[in-house]
Amino acid sequence: GQQVMQIPQYQHVQEGEDFTTYCNSSTTLSNIQWYKQRPGGHPVFLIQLVKSGEVKKQKRLTFQFGEAKKNSSLHITATQTTDVGTYFCGVDYKLSFGAGTTVTVRA
Amino acid sequence: DSGVTQTPKHLITATGQRVTLRCSPRSGDLSVYWYQQSLDQGLQFLIQYYNGEERAKGNILERFSAQQFPDLHSELNLSSLELGDSALYFCASSGGTGRSEAFFGQGTRLTVV
Repeated sequence: GQQVMQIPQYQHVQEGEDFTTYCNSSTTLSNIQWYKQRPGGHPVFLIQLVKSGEVKKQKRLTFQFGEAKKNSSLHITATQTTDVGTYFCGVDYKLSFGAGTTVTVRA
Repeated sequence: DSGVTQTPKHLITATGQRVTLRCSPRSGDLSVYWYQQSLDQGLQFLIQYYNGEERAKGNILERFSAQQFPDLHSELNLSSLELGDSALYFCASSGGTGRSEAFFGQGTRLTVV
């Protein structure tokens, strides 16, 4: 079945620094979605990528879909305390999620 | 407000008991997904329904079952509860099947004592 690996599992970032989290699949994906879950909250949709090599930006967040459509990345620049939370990638028609990357920020 | 309503918000019950979690999807959404999130764990996919029909099953225990009714609301039934079933259970809905933005409810916190 579909397996999605997210790395790293934890990311401790100094405020103002950049970081990247990755989502890797064992099979080719038709699309990938990214969600953010704040501590104590529920997952909230961020973006969907569909095309090979697609890049989308949302302010300080840059999302990329790999050329082979087997991996994706989320890059955050100039990390802020508001970026704290867990970022999940979701794949497949049944919306299976990776284990997530939990981000903490040092002020 | 995501438009997805889950009830109850909190539930405390004893081992061996049975509970029912309810989910009302966003108006017009045909797909309902159920997930289990244990402490500091990811979102474990349990089951998906689309327009009343079971569409996909994940790692759902035989003690767990679900259904989606004609009005599209869904219920997740958990029976013979064990301590390890304590978790946050999320319901999500979307217009389609995995290629549409999914909206999550606030979750039901289940504590088995």
